[in-house]
Amino acid sequence: QSVLTQPPSVSGAPGQRVTISCTGSSSNIGAGYDVHWYQQLPGTAPKLLIYFNNNRPSGVPDRFSGSKSGTSASLAITGLQAEDEADYYCQSYDSSLRGVVFGGGTKLTVL
Amino acid sequence: QIALKESGPTLVKTTETLTLTCSFSGFSLSSRGMGVGWIRQPPGKALEWLALIYWDDDKRYSPSLRSRVAVTKDTSKNQVVLTLTNMGPVDTATYYCAHRPGAGTWFDYWGQGTLVTVSS
Repeated sequence: QSVLTQPPSVSGAPGQRVTISCTGSSSNIGAGYDVHWYQQLPGTAPKLLIYFNNNRPSGVPDRFSGSKSGTSASLAITGLQAEDEADYYCQSYDSSLRGVVFGGGTKLTVL
Repeated sequence: QIALKESGPTLVKTTETLTLTCSFSGFSLSSRGMGVGWIRQPPGKALEWLALIYWDDDKRYSPSLRSRVAVTKDTSKNQVVLTLTNMGPVDTATYYCAHRPGAGTWFDYWGQGTLVTVSS
């Protein structure tokens, strides 16, 4: 069981918008700790997609955006493309565990 | 340009100790705020954070593995070493090392990962 809860899977057709939620608690997201998102294409290492809740590293398309509110965060992907099919993970810090925590991951399928 | 690469055995026996080395370039682990983390991923499963070592030799470990895991750094060689004792089948995973920037709590550069299989 991951400390941060994500839906196991989401799907959408090309061009559509999808969102992936990341639900935490008062000891992590709710305590004000930042949320970061990673994209993991099949057979590859994770890649930083969003940092500090809603910032994109250089080279990440603006189709990807992040938000955070209360004890949850969300990743939104607009204009869905076939190449977006991947696993997505959220990450934060937990003060009770005194360490880094990841979500359980969400598999995005582009229909 | 930051790059990291993991190296070590691909197969270990039950109860043995795993030692993995992360060799990196493009940054110095003596620079204020910098860190290197270890994360693993069992086949078909989620990412799991293991350990983090900072520029000032501060170390943080996953509570669930604290009794078995250790991390050290050799700044002169640009290497970080992870040891995990008493390996078991549940420790079969791809092990990644990753760079944590001085200004943030995320991992911005990752190694390619190395698959370690535990067998009796």
